Amino acid sequence: KAGVTQTPRYLIKTRGQQVTLSCSPISGHRSVSWYQQTPGQGLQFLFEYFSETQRNKGNFPGRFSGRQFSNSRSEMNVSTLELGDSALYLCASSSLPTSGTVYTQYFGPGTRLTVL
Amino acid sequence: TQLLEQSPQFLSIQEGENLTVYCNSSSVFSSLQWYRQEPGEGPVLLVTVVTGGEVKKLKRLTFQFGDARKDSSLHITAAQPGDTGLYLCAGTQGGSEKLVFGKGTKLTVNP
Repeated sequence: KAGVTQTPRYLIKTRGQQVTLSCSPISGHRSVSWYQQTPGQGLQFLFEYFSETQRNKGNFPGRFSGRQFSNSRSEMNVSTLELGDSALYLCASSSLPTSGTVYTQYFGPGTRLTVL
Repeated sequence: TQLLEQSPQFLSIQEGENLTVYCNSSSVFSSLQWYRQEPGEGPVLLVTVVTGGEVKKLKRLTFQFGDARKDSSLHITAAQPGDTGLYLCAGTQGGSEKLVFGKGTKLTVNP
């Protein structure tokens, strides 16, 4: 079974631009979560989608948005990029959507975004 | 304020030594997970603990969940260079599936 794939792997943008990152979950997984990883803050939860609906959201400004398609693939968008948005953006998929159940998240390799 | 505090932040040891990494919180977690991340890759799940006092062993790695489910530890016996990486603890609370991560412990095992 193929793992979680993320594209592109590396991206360089300038301040003020916008960017779209893509994530393809493991086949059969319907839940996709996004995380931002920086040296200073570590891994921080952005949002989680299940069946095209956002179920959980972290404490990030509205410039960060996402969506999920009917095939479970997900995209996240960051508008009006700031220098502080430079980070590794990780996507994780999981097969068990039910709250209260311990489940396993499988992470992709991430997209390294650099904002100049 | 970080919900999960990991210590030490950095650890550099010689091959064959033992080490313990800690993950502490003032909050209760319904589950605690440990991940290992290598440069250029995403975190890979090592273990999940859900019961207070639970101990799990994975070859040379021993994981423990505190009795009050507020803390956890990872002990590595006879560390090897292949154990080098960033070790992350992450927890879930209540009925949420959202993972809260510690900042990680960067382990370097020198040959």
